[in-house]
Amino acid sequence: GAGVSQSPRYKVAKRGQDVALRCDPISGHVSLFWYQQALGQGPEFLTYFQNEAQLDKSGLPSDRFFAERPEGSVSTLKIQRTQQEDSAVYLCASSTHVRLAQTYEQYFGPGTRLTVT
Amino acid sequence: AQSVTQLGSHVSVSEGALVLLRCNYSSSVPPYLFWYVQYPNQGLQLLLKYTSAATLVKGINGFEAEFKKSETSFHLTKPSAHMSDAAEYFCAVSYLSGGYQKVTFGIGTKLQVIP
Repeated sequence: GAGVSQSPRYKVAKRGQDVALRCDPISGHVSLFWYQQALGQGPEFLTYFQNEAQLDKSGLPSDRFFAERPEGSVSTLKIQRTQQEDSAVYLCASSTHVRLAQTYEQYFGPGTRLTVT
Repeated sequence: AQSVTQLGSHVSVSEGALVLLRCNYSSSVPPYLFWYVQYPNQGLQLLLKYTSAATLVKGINGFEAEFKKSETSFHLTKPSAHMSDAAEYFCAVSYLSGGYQKVTFGIGTKLQVIP
């Protein structure tokens, strides 16, 4: 079956521009996560959705970052007034259910590489 | 707070040699631990996971990891490295936070395989 897809795969933005990054999770997956992966670092948590509810946005670095998942499937991460420090790979992951730890696994998309010039 | 520490950001091994990637965890409760692999320009793929069922966990591509509570370690090994193993490897710990499983990743270890 299809995995997690993300678009665009690459995005170059001029400083100050707004960008929107899309994530299509695996069909039926309840949980959706966004991560930011800076160069040479591991993924860092940004936000978490359970269906359409954003239950945790504690990792969003500033109020310029906004995420939504209005119908509980596709999600969009929006960054307003991009800054150079926003340059990173943004990864999306989905999973079936978060409470059943025995079956817990996050499936990752290929990421969107954002470069802010 | 739960965290993992990966020792060695770069590891080089010869083809056919043992692969050992180190990971130590810090957790106040029994942890769920994972190893993920990331190939260039791709997302992360799960190699294996520890969920307390067995201390020696076997994963894909011949990798395995052993959970050692006394050493708070979860090192990743493979008896014989293959060129296709060259990638970046991330250790991760998951824990319940706010009613869901939250995952914290290490900084990664880049594995180079020398022919």
